[in-house]
Amino acid sequence: DIQMTQSPSSLSASVGDRVTLTCRASQSISTYLNWYQQKPGKAPKLLIYAASSLPSGVPSRFSGSGSGTDFTLTISSLQPEDFATYYCQQSYITQLTFGPGTKVDIK
Amino acid sequence: EVQLVESGGGLVKPGGSLRLSCAASGFTFSTYTMNWVRQAPGKGLEWVSSISSRSNYIFYADSLKGRFTISRDNAKNSLYLQMNSLRAEDTAIYYCARMDDYSDSSGQFVPSLAYWGQGTLVTVSA
Repeated sequence: DIQMTQSPSSLSASVGDRVTLTCRASQSISTYLNWYQQKPGKAPKLLIYAASSLPSGVPSRFSGSGSGTDFTLTISSLQPEDFATYYCQQSYITQLTFGPGTKVDIK
Repeated sequence: EVQLVESGGGLVKPGGSLRLSCAASGFTFSTYTMNWVRQAPGKGLEWVSSISSRSNYIFYADSLKGRFTISRDNAKNSLYLQMNSLRAEDTAIYYCARMDDYSDSSGQFVPSLAYWGQGTLVTVSA
């Protein structure tokens, strides 16, 4: 299995802040890395695919980067609707694995 | 509009069985790989299983140890998860999710869970 880790596990930030979340894979996964956003009581939503591409409808304040084992998700200016938990997930092998998540809450 | 609606969750005793269903609409179900993902209360996401469009490729999380079986009926636009020998640690919300192959800027196709249902809660308790 490929293990995924995320840091920090949680962070507190204010509206307008620039926020960077980190995800690391236990082995190289090229850019087979996706990010999901989950709000309480809701299903996850695909936020970024292939490490840096945004699906249609995702605001441009979200960006992703990285390849190999180290990846980042950046929110350039945090908005009230962005307070949520963010998960990374690898698709390099058919047995998908998720990171443990980073919870972003209001400072 | 893509819709995925799970059903079949509920309370079951340890050792019991349950069959979850996921009804798909708004897309050509028979052409997509489908997945089950679960989330224990207050915990993170755990991938459970995937099945290719024609059921010829099926994969499971190692942690399931053969207790779960994924299947699909393309004529009925439905995905299923048969869960046997249930344990307390199987308590979770179970989501079905459609897998899309997105192409990145280099032309590489990256499987992504693009659409999710609202989930169905399975509680395993005596």
